[in-house]
Amino acid sequence: KAGVTQTPRYLIKTRGQQVTLSCSPISGHRSVSWYQQTPGQGLQFLFEYFSETQRNKGNFPGRFSGRQFSNSRSEMNVSTLELGDSALYLCASSRWSLLRGDTDTQYFGPGTRLTVL
Amino acid sequence: AQTVTQSQPEMSVQEAETVTLSCTYDTSESDYYLFWYKQPPSRQMILVIRQEAYKQQNATENRFSVNFQKAAKSFSLKISDSQLGDAAMYFCAYRSSTGNQFYFGTGTSLTVIP
Repeated sequence: KAGVTQTPRYLIKTRGQQVTLSCSPISGHRSVSWYQQTPGQGLQFLFEYFSETQRNKGNFPGRFSGRQFSNSRSEMNVSTLELGDSALYLCASSRWSLLRGDTDTQYFGPGTRLTVL
Repeated sequence: AQTVTQSQPEMSVQEAETVTLSCTYDTSESDYYLFWYKQPPSRQMILVIRQEAYKQQNATENRFSVNFQKAAKSFSLKISDSQLGDAAMYFCAYRSSTGNQFYFGTGTSLTVIP
């Protein structure tokens, strides 16, 4: 089974621009979560989508938004880019567990390295 | 919000030896899940091991095992017979039993010395 894929792997943008990152979850996984990873702040949760609905949201400004499509693929958008948005953006997917009645372990993609100049 | 603390920013171990990485967490919940993830340099984060809080038995995956002390809110990872490929950043993570939000520690960078 193919793993979580993220595109593009690398991006260079300038301040003020906007960017869209894409994540394709493992087949059958309906939950997609997004994280920002930086050396100073570590891994910070952005948001989670399940069945096309945002279920959880971290403490990030409204410039960060996302959506999920009916095939569970997800996109994350960052508008009006700032230098501080330079980071590795990780996507993780998880499947629905009938036993638990909720989603389970998260499996991560390789990330998109965003550099804002 | 739950917090996860990894007090060892860096650790090193000789090849074939055993090393233990520490993790503590803060929660008022009784049911939750704990994870260790490994992130090799410039590579994908992968799941190492998973523990369900209601299970008293410590999880084991080949050379990786945990010491889960629920009362102490401690979740350490033991790597036996360390191999060069074990060199990576290791993250401890907490997940509530309700909701899919994960809380990660700041990571421990493990170096394996040949």
